[in-house]
Amino acid sequence: DQQVKQNSPSLSVQEGRISILNCDYTNSMFDYFLWYKKYPAEGPTFLISISSIKDKNEDGRFTVFLNKSAKHLSLHIVPSQPGDSAVYFCAASAEAAGNKLTFGGGTRVLVKP
Amino acid sequence: DSGVTQTPKHLITATGQRVTLRCSPRSGDLSVYWYQQSLDQGLQFLIQYYNGEERAKGNILERFSAQQFPDLHSELNLSSLELGDSALYFCASSVGDTLQYGYTFGSGTRLTVV
Repeated sequence: DQQVKQNSPSLSVQEGRISILNCDYTNSMFDYFLWYKKYPAEGPTFLISISSIKDKNEDGRFTVFLNKSAKHLSLHIVPSQPGDSAVYFCAASAEAAGNKLTFGGGTRVLVKP
Repeated sequence: DSGVTQTPKHLITATGQRVTLRCSPRSGDLSVYWYQQSLDQGLQFLIQYYNGEERAKGNILERFSAQQFPDLHSELNLSSLELGDSALYFCASSVGDTLQYGYTFGSGTRLTVV
């Protein structure tokens, strides 16, 4: 049972445009959400997080939006840069489960120059 | 360099064998997490240690075990290996229990069971 789903396995976007990555979850106990970026042969790198008490968090070019009623979050990257080409993972945790993260399957982003 | 060191980077072994993966967390981090990433799958949580004690357990097989030592490094032991155990194994660390800044992952150990 996949509790965190990233339904788009890949995304291609032109440099300078917006990249929108989507993530859906089913477990209503999740109360903290994170996005990670992964390059080949490297471990995932933390990008941005959001608590369930917020609906938006922004850090530079990265903004995460949370819609609790829809159990949906998205990551916006504006403007997209070639260095953003990577696999992006959405992850969620529930306070009751400690710091265990449940990851989505990832979305591969390709930013074309 | 994330500060989390995993050794070895690559490991090839035969079915039925036992291997040990090692992880040194970032300086000052007390929590260590182990994750498995199989082909075409997301990262699956295995186990967490905090300051030497097991804190949380995921879908870790009985053939797998882990521990965190007094110097805070951790080892993941995989025994009676099967072909399906071939995967990337990631270790991550964090200072305490907050997720505000996520975990810091190492670059992983790629295990191939032949």
